[in-house]
Amino acid sequence: DADVTQTPRNRITKTGKRIMLECSQTKGHDRMYWYRQDPGLGLRLIYYSFDVKDINKGEISDGYSVSRQAQAKFSLSLESAIPNQTALYFCATSDRPGAGDVEKLFFGSGTQLSVL
Amino acid sequence: QKEVEQDPGPLSVPEGAIVSLNCTYSNSAFQYFMWYRQYSRKGPELLMYTYSSGNKEDGRFTAQVDKSSKYISLFIRDSQPSDSATYLCAMSGNDYKLSFGAGTTVTVRA
Repeated sequence: DADVTQTPRNRITKTGKRIMLECSQTKGHDRMYWYRQDPGLGLRLIYYSFDVKDINKGEISDGYSVSRQAQAKFSLSLESAIPNQTALYFCATSDRPGAGDVEKLFFGSGTQLSVL
Repeated sequence: QKEVEQDPGPLSVPEGAIVSLNCTYSNSAFQYFMWYRQYSRKGPELLMYTYSSGNKEDGRFTAQVDKSSKYISLFIRDSQPSDSATYLCAMSGNDYKLSFGAGTTVTVRA
C-alpha cells in the first residue's frame, strides 16, 4: 500500500461547486503539505501543517481551505471551484529535518482536478 | 522573476547518452539543493540532495552546486529508457521553505 494516499485520483466538477480532496499517510510524519502543479509553473505550496493544531498558508492559499483531522489526515477544500483551479494536486509529508539535513518530502500520486 | 528558473525542455536523448539538467536561482540564502524525479501521473520522489556547494555522486547520477554562480546541475550517465521522467530541482534556506523549478521533461530513446 502507498505511504501517502490521495483520493480521488481524478475529479471533474463544475464552477461554483464545493470540492474536497483527501490525503492520508502511514509514514507517521507530523508535517503535511498541499501543493498544486501547473505546466510551466512547477509546484506551488497551498497550505501546510506541522502538527494537528497547526495550519499555515502557503504562497497561493486564496480560494482554498484545509483541515487536519488527525496526524495522518489532511484534507484540502475548494469552497467554490473556478476553472483556473484546474490543476494536478499533490499531498506531501515529511519529518522534521535534523540540523544540517534537507527536508525530504514524500508525495502522494496526485489528484487531477478539472473545473468546467 | 521566479526564484528558481529551470528550462522545461523537453529533452530527448538516445539511450546511453549523458543527460545534463540545470537550474539557476536568485536567492543567496539557499543552502539545501535537491532533485526530484517525477514519472507520468506519479508524485515527485527525492532523487538526490546536497548541502551547500560541491558535488555528490550516486551511481549514474551526479549533482553539482555552484553557489558563486547560483547554478545547480544534475548529470545522468549512461541514460536508460527508465530515466524518462520530469526532473524538478528544489532548494531551500535554513527556514526549510522549498522553492521548486518548473521541471524538465526528459525522454531517453531506446
